[in-house]
Amino acid sequence: KQEVTQIPAALSVPEGENLVLNCSFTDSAIYNLQWFRQDPGKGLTSLLLIQSSQREQTSGRLNASLDKSSGRSTLYIAASQPGDSATYLCAVINDYKLSFGAGTTVTVRA
Amino acid sequence: EAGVTQFPSHSVIEKGQTVTLRCDPISGHDNLYWYRRVMGKEIKFLLHFVKESKQDESGMPNNRFLAERTGGTYSTLKVQPAELEDSGVYFCASSQGRGRYTFGSGTRLTVV
Repeated sequence: KQEVTQIPAALSVPEGENLVLNCSFTDSAIYNLQWFRQDPGKGLTSLLLIQSSQREQTSGRLNASLDKSSGRSTLYIAASQPGDSATYLCAVINDYKLSFGAGTTVTVRA
Repeated sequence: EAGVTQFPSHSVIEKGQTVTLRCDPISGHDNLYWYRRVMGKEIKFLLHFVKESKQDESGMPNNRFLAERTGGTYSTLKVQPAELEDSGVYFCASSQGRGRYTFGSGTRLTVV
């Protein structure tokens, strides 16, 4: 059974600081890994999808890395802004099924 | 491209009543999924459709939950009779193969 852990559970930083969010998973036989963002009371917004053959994926200020062998992924957000405040969820894909971590709740202080 | 649409966005029902949630996936996505988050827990898988067929329903909590996807288009998730522990947010998602998963905004179900 796939277990996904996200550390830290919460993070508060001043505006402009870089964010580092960690995700670990127990079963390295994943197909893909996807990072999502969830704003309070809203749905999940896809941020980045990393295929198992990839090491990283970038979109604007976001960069996600994947190390399958060690069961880890890291989401980097450069030059954080108050609008980046949200909960960030990591999900690994095994055989069509997503396994989610509990998320990291980020607060960026202006 | 229209996203995944879910309704209602909120539903408050009494214990013992029936509720039906609906999901319209992205057009052309054969794969449709239901997930839910109950208070304080991670988002958990409920089931997976490929077109109109149930591919995996291992996450369905019990036989009070019934999901259908008639004609391989929209899907419904019925809870009958609802219990207090069914309260939570129910998410629907769709994908083309095992590519990017797109989620709807969710239905917040409160059973009182």
